[in-house]
Amino acid sequence: GENVEQHPSTLSVQEGDSAVIKCTYSDSASNYFPWYKQELGKGPQLIIDIRSNVGEKKDQRIAVTLNKTAKHFSLHITETQPEDSAVYFCAASRRGRGDSSYKLIFGSGTRLLVRP
Amino acid sequence: SAVISQKPSRDICQRGTSLTIQCQVDSQVTMMFWYRQQPGQSLTLIATANQGSEATYESGFVIDKFPISRPNLTFSTLTVSNMSPEDSSIYLCSGGGNSYNEQFFGPGTRLTVL
Repeated sequence: GENVEQHPSTLSVQEGDSAVIKCTYSDSASNYFPWYKQELGKGPQLIIDIRSNVGEKKDQRIAVTLNKTAKHFSLHITETQPEDSAVYFCAASRRGRGDSSYKLIFGSGTRLLVRP
Repeated sequence: SAVISQKPSRDICQRGTSLTIQCQVDSQVTMMFWYRQQPGQSLTLIATANQGSEATYESGFVIDKFPISRPNLTFSTLTVSNMSPEDSSIYLCSGGGNSYNEQFFGPGTRLTVL
C-alpha cells in the first residue's frame, strides 16, 4: 500500500523567510497530492493540491512542486507570516476501483513556527 | 468546496458507554470518511462511509466498535461503542469525491473517556 513520509517534523523560520516542507510517496500510481493546514483545535484545511499531470502550482504565497520520477512533492511558503504557524500535512491518493478511489494517505505532519 | 459541521464538538464520557458523532455536509458529496487523530499525531482513516451500503473499514477498525451510518449524500454518523480511555482522541469526518479526490474536513470532535 501507499506510504507517505514527511520532513521535517518541526520547522522554525523568521517572519518573512521561506519555508519548505517535503514529502515522498511509495505508490507510483498515486496521482493526487493535497496539502492541509491544521490550526490548534481545528480540522485540517485544504490549502493547495496538485495532480500528477502538472509539475508546479502556485497560489499567492504558497506553491507546490511535484517530481513524479523521484516520487516526491514539496510545499513552499514565501514571505512567511506569524499566522502561517500551524501543523501542515501532505497526503497522497490515487484513483482506483471501488471505495479506495478517494482514500488519502497522510504524512506525519510538520509543525511550522514563524517567529515575529 | 464543501462546508462540514460536526456535533458534538467535544464530550467527556464514562468507560463502557457509547457516543454517536454526527457529520453534516452543506452539499451532496460522493464520499464521506471518518478519521481518528491522536493529539500531536497524523490522521488515521477509520472507514469510508458509503451511501446505501455498509461502510468500508480499514485494518484495525471493526464495525462492532465503530458502527457507521450514511443515510444520504449529506449526512453520516460514527458511533464509538463500549468506550475505554484508549478511545480518547479527536474524531474527524471529511467529504469529497465530487471532483478528483478533494476532501474537506469538519472541525472535529474531541472525545475524552474517563
